[in-house]
Amino acid sequence: EPEVTQTPSHQVTQMGQEVILRCVPISNHLYFYWYRQILGQKVEFLVSFYNNEISEKSEIFDDQFSVERPDGSNFTLKIRSTKLEDSAMYFCASTQGARTGELFFGEGSRLTVL
Amino acid sequence: AQSVTQPDIHITVSEGASLELRCNYSYGATPYLFWYVQSPGQGLQLLLKYFSGDTLVQGIKGFEAEFKRSQSSFNLRKPSVHWSDAAEYFCAVGSISSGSARQLTFGSGTQLTVLP
Repeated sequence: EPEVTQTPSHQVTQMGQEVILRCVPISNHLYFYWYRQILGQKVEFLVSFYNNEISEKSEIFDDQFSVERPDGSNFTLKIRSTKLEDSAMYFCASTQGARTGELFFGEGSRLTVL
Repeated sequence: AQSVTQPDIHITVSEGASLELRCNYSYGATPYLFWYVQSPGQGLQLLLKYFSGDTLVQGIKGFEAEFKRSQSSFNLRKPSVHWSDAAEYFCAVGSISSGSARQLTFGSGTQLTVLP
């Protein structure tokens, strides 16, 4: 069964460092998303991406964050200068169609900022 | 703005007992509703979804949920719980944003403990 894969599964970084989280969405999907879950809190929407551009982003997704689809398979989330409060589980998701498809989530990348 | 409320933070049931997890939503239009399950250290797995039609939807692992528009609810049920069902359960409502990509709003989750 096709699945969304994410790497790394866990990354520890120092505050101020740049981090790139990688995702390989399901191959025929067209819409891509990043969500995050701070420990003990709700899963929160960060950004959606379609046709090589951001469709929508939340207030959380400030200038420190960026997303990119550098090739036909990868979808990345970059945090330019990490802060302690960026520590969270980051989930990538994809869907084939925005109106009828459910989101398929990856297993997440846990980011720990020290 | 849409929102989802899961009033029960933690529920404990005995194996073999029935289960109902509550979910209430607030959304201006016809909602797309989902239940996801998250096992420790795992991602979010879709249990079932409601888009339209029959208000009682069947999902994987023997789960079902009923959409009740009058009560703005989408409660998850299972007639007989198994120990492997211990996990955290999230209700979510989906919207088609202005960019026509769906974003989900999640509830805060219900942690299910299953006693032997």
